[in-house]
Amino acid sequence: AQKVTQAQTEISVVEKEDVTLDCVYETRDTTYYLFWYKQPPSGELVFLIRRNSFDEQNEISGRYSWNFQKSTSSFNFTITASQVVDSAVYFCALSEEGTSGSRLTFGEGTQLTVNP
Amino acid sequence: DAGITQSPRHKVTETGTPVTLRCHQTENHRYMYWYRQDPGHGLRLIHYSYGVKDTDKGEVSDGYSVSRSKTEDFLLTLESATSSQTSVYFCAISDRTGITSETQYFGPGTRLLVL
Repeated sequence: AQKVTQAQTEISVVEKEDVTLDCVYETRDTTYYLFWYKQPPSGELVFLIRRNSFDEQNEISGRYSWNFQKSTSSFNFTITASQVVDSAVYFCALSEEGTSGSRLTFGEGTQLTVNP
Repeated sequence: DAGITQSPRHKVTETGTPVTLRCHQTENHRYMYWYRQDPGHGLRLIHYSYGVKDTDKGEVSDGYSVSRSKTEDFLLTLESATSSQTSVYFCAISDRTGITSETQYFGPGTRLLVL
């Protein structure tokens, strides 16, 4: 069975600090996909990134960056120079591929609070 | 933003009553999903659909049924609601084509309270 662990339940930082959200996963699949979603206080789920298991290049998008390390089964998310608007719950997810669609397994989420 | 709406957005019901939640999409995507979100569990898959009249169970399907009679609508039914089904329900659609992987995009959610 697949599993995603986000060990940090809550993180609190001061604006402009850098913060890293950890994600560790377990899977027996050789091909899989990893995701990060953001859930702001308004409640919707916003897609941030998708990464496949064959692509270990780090990715940067503005203040966001992702570090995928297959050797440690981790897919960590860093926010540089955090802002109050980054306050949200962040979910890491792992897909299980099937011929009739993919099933996402989510971690429990990390509540990030960025204080002014 | 993906064209996904959920109705109702909020509902309060009593134990033992049937409840149907609706997910409507305007993207003409083949794949649709229902998840529930509970504290300490993240999101968990209830049921999903890979085409009209084609559905399958997810991780927490007991007590739920689904139907998909047309591409744009995916209904989730609680035949006899219980307090343990109090949750936030999210619908998702995906841009999957062929056998390639996909990204799932989520609707705004439905808050259900079962008294």
